[in-house]
Amino acid sequence: AQSVAQPEDQVNVAEGNPLTVKCTYSVSGNPYLFWYVQYPNRGLQFLLKYITGDNLVKGSYGFEAEFNKSQTSFHLKKPSALVSDSALYFCAVRGAQTGANNLFFGTGTRLTVIP
Amino acid sequence: EADIYQTPRYLVIGTGKKITLECSQTMGHDKMYWYQQDPGMELHLIHYSYGVNSTEKGDLSSESTVSRIRTEHFPLTLESARPSHTSQYLCASSESPGLRNEQFFGPGTRLTVL
Repeated sequence: AQSVAQPEDQVNVAEGNPLTVKCTYSVSGNPYLFWYVQYPNRGLQFLLKYITGDNLVKGSYGFEAEFNKSQTSFHLKKPSALVSDSALYFCAVRGAQTGANNLFFGTGTRLTVIP
Repeated sequence: EADIYQTPRYLVIGTGKKITLECSQTMGHDKMYWYQQDPGMELHLIHYSYGVNSTEKGDLSSESTVSRIRTEHFPLTLESARPSHTSQYLCASSESPGLRNEQFFGPGTRLTVL
């Protein structure tokens, strides 16, 4: 079975400080991992993905994520948070071997960047 | 500009009414999806399509139905709306073959059934 865990419902960080939003996953075989961001009353926007290769993935708006196979984690990071980064962040996973196209989402982490 | 559109953005309707939520994409994607999301919560897949005349049910059971007569269009219909259908509905699409490709989301339709 595939699943994603985002252990923190809420993350608060001061503007200019580094931020981390945590994600762990469970999947059969190799994972395809995604991060999305959702602003109020909007759909989800794609940030970055890990498919294969380099464990450090760089994405939109200065975000990056590190794939750690041994810890089954894919934490989202940014070196210096902006107030405009405040939003709801979703981690998602799909198994490479699965025949279905389903993308399994975590429950989301609300990031608040404090000015 | 390539994009994915959903109409209406907001809908308030009485119990028992038939409604259709529209979703269109101009990216030429074969795969399209409908998700249901309660405010600030996780997404649940309710329908997906691999292409024209292909529709499948997702993980979350839903009383809604979908159709895919044209590549760019993937409407969702509720024959008789109920208060339990109150939620946000998100449409998405992705390129084939799909597993490695990210999904692109529309802005969503927030449905309230009174």
